[in-house]
Amino acid sequence: AQSVTQLDSQVPVFEEAPVELRCNYSSSVSVYLFWYVQYPNQGLQLLLKYLSGSTLVKGINGFEAEFNKSQTSFHLRKPSVHISDTAEYFCAVRVSNDYKLSFGAGTTVTVRA
Amino acid sequence: DARVTQTPRDKVTEMGQEVTMRCQPILGHNTVFWYRQTMMQGLELLAYFRNRAPLDDSGMPKDRFSAEMPDATLATLKIQPSEPRDSAVYFCASGLGPPNTEAFFGQGTRLTVV
Repeated sequence: AQSVTQLDSQVPVFEEAPVELRCNYSSSVSVYLFWYVQYPNQGLQLLLKYLSGSTLVKGINGFEAEFNKSQTSFHLRKPSVHISDTAEYFCAVRVSNDYKLSFGAGTTVTVRA
Repeated sequence: DARVTQTPRDKVTEMGQEVTMRCQPILGHNTVFWYRQTMMQGLELLAYFRNRAPLDDSGMPKDRFSAEMPDATLATLKIQPSEPRDSAVYFCASGLGPPNTEAFFGQGTRLTVV
């Protein structure tokens, strides 16, 4: 069975600074990987996804993530954050022969002026 | 603008009462998920359906929870009887099978059982 570990539960960051959110997965078969964002009192919104091909994936709102198969990681990055990026971020994994989408525990990003 | 619609958005009920949450998946999506989100447990997968058939409901407490898809445009999650520990935000999500594999989430139903 697949699983996802988000290594940081809380990440405080100053406005215009870079941020990296770490995600590691475990699976014995090939996987699809996702990052979602959840703003307060809202549902989850897809930021980006890795299905195949280029290991560097660009998403919405200036976010990008890099798939590293050897390290089983899919870390999310943004070079310069805004106050509006304050939210909870979830990494998720689906194995290629299954429909089940499994989520990590989430990372709360708080952006301060 | 296609979206997953959940009703009600908020529900407060007394312990022991029956609660039904509804979800309208995006038209054409054939996979539906139910998740529960709490501070302590995070996002838990309760059940998911493919072409209206349940594929896995192992995440649900079987004695009080039930999930169904009466038709392709409606998914329901029922709790009977409800308990205070069921208080959470319940999310429905829909999607297509591989290779289009992301799930689209609704706004959630915030359930409070008092």
